[in-house]
Amino acid sequence: QVQLMQSGAEVKKPGSSVRVSCQASGGTLSTFAISWLRQAPGQGLEWMGGIIPVLGSTKYAQKFQGRVTFSADASTSTAYMDLSSLRSEDTAMYYCAKTDRGFCTTTSCTPWDYFYIYMDVWGIGTRVTVSS
Amino acid sequence: DIVMTQSPESLAVSLGERATVNCRSSQSVLNSSNNKNYLAWYQQKPGQPPRLLISWASTRESGAPDRFSGSGSGTDFTLTINNLQAEDVAVYSCQQYYSFPYSFGQGTKLEIK
Repeated sequence: QVQLMQSGAEVKKPGSSVRVSCQASGGTLSTFAISWLRQAPGQGLEWMGGIIPVLGSTKYAQKFQGRVTFSADASTSTAYMDLSSLRSEDTAMYYCAKTDRGFCTTTSCTPWDYFYIYMDVWGIGTRVTVSS
Repeated sequence: DIVMTQSPESLAVSLGERATVNCRSSQSVLNSSNNKNYLAWYQQKPGQPPRLLISWASTRESGAPDRFSGSGSGTDFTLTINNLQAEDVAVYSCQQYYSFPYSFGQGTKLEIK
């Protein structure tokens, strides 16, 4: 069973950047996508986007476009999320989650067409605090 | 983008009773080509990450107790917890994976009365 191990808590100054890592154990990144999500204190879950590590293909939620970058290192089965220009509103718990490759129901399938699937394994979360 | 709306925001139910959480999507999440509803339910206990309970609106995940069930189709869905146990205290969230960006309901906090 794949487990996702995330890096430790971070405290950052406004305007700076943060990198969160997510390492898969018990499996590799080759057969699934990794989503990144966040949850502000007392709030619901927010999907930031994801990466298909074997292809390096990324998808970003419009809200975060231009400020977040996803990457992956297949040799270490590790995915990364870089968030820049941090502000206090970015204070949240950040999660990575796995989505297995599913099936495509259209006639012409792009890589992300195989990932209309639920997230079945989640990392424990990384708390990021942005404070001056 | 698809907006997910849950009700109620919180509820308190007695041990052994039934809890019902509702979820509505702003557009249908039913894929007519395979007749599947692209909806999941997650349970999140304090200090823990979400745990997948139900996928495809009604398929219970391995390890999820059979007192949890999901129903509904199209835009209206329900999570039902029968015979409520103390360990079921948590926040329950629905999520659509019909289209990107994935989106979640705001969560329903379940407590013991």
